[in-house]
Amino acid sequence: GAGVSQSPSNKVTEKGKDVELRCDPISGHTALYWYRQRLGQGLEFLIYFQGNSAPDKSGLPSDRFSAERTGESVSTLTIQRTQQEDSAVYLCASSLTGAAANNQPQHFGDGTRLSIL
Amino acid sequence: LAKTTQPISMDSYEGQEVNITCSHNNIATNDYITWYQQFPSQGPRFIIQGYKTKVTNEVASLFIPADRKSSTLSLPRVSLSDTAVYYCLVGVGLNDYKLSFGAGTTVTVRA
Repeated sequence: GAGVSQSPSNKVTEKGKDVELRCDPISGHTALYWYRQRLGQGLEFLIYFQGNSAPDKSGLPSDRFSAERTGESVSTLTIQRTQQEDSAVYLCASSLTGAAANNQPQHFGDGTRLSIL
Repeated sequence: LAKTTQPISMDSYEGQEVNITCSHNNIATNDYITWYQQFPSQGPRFIIQGYKTKVTNEVASLFIPADRKSSTLSLPRVSLSDTAVYYCLVGVGLNDYKLSFGAGTTVTVRA
């Protein structure tokens, strides 16, 4: 499809394991964003990519979290040594241009629901 | 992002028009107004965006008065599948890319 695609849609893993979440943005979108949404709560910004660079990593909660983007396309969010508080829905969004444009809406995927046992 | 205020919930019936008004008294000159829809277990879906006057697409219309201190999202002839949470965001430009969704407006459409 033409929208933002995330995989897997659901992930259940044991505490202490590493997980990798994938995001395929809309083709041609240069900006990519990761958010976290805990049950019943609002969006929590994690990181913003412009092209393959991440000018803003301020939302990553700890050094167990990292993200990369290659080919100005696919991005992966990696969580190492997962803990129960990491359980949440991880959402990816993309926009045509980056933060400097004030009329480019972000388009979201349906997220990866991560459950840490 | 500018602060916004919108009703917590609205009820409607199939076939009716639903109008959700969002107040944003502190909107800045360069701010755009953007509305998202979110269903349970899905990511937010972009509905419509506008700067002034009226914007219409295949899903909704957005009415913005001259002072831009409020905006109204209009959903024509709603169906059961329009039951969702609707979020109004203002200021999604420079340095405002860290989207923050408030409680939104829960619209419930009944048969």
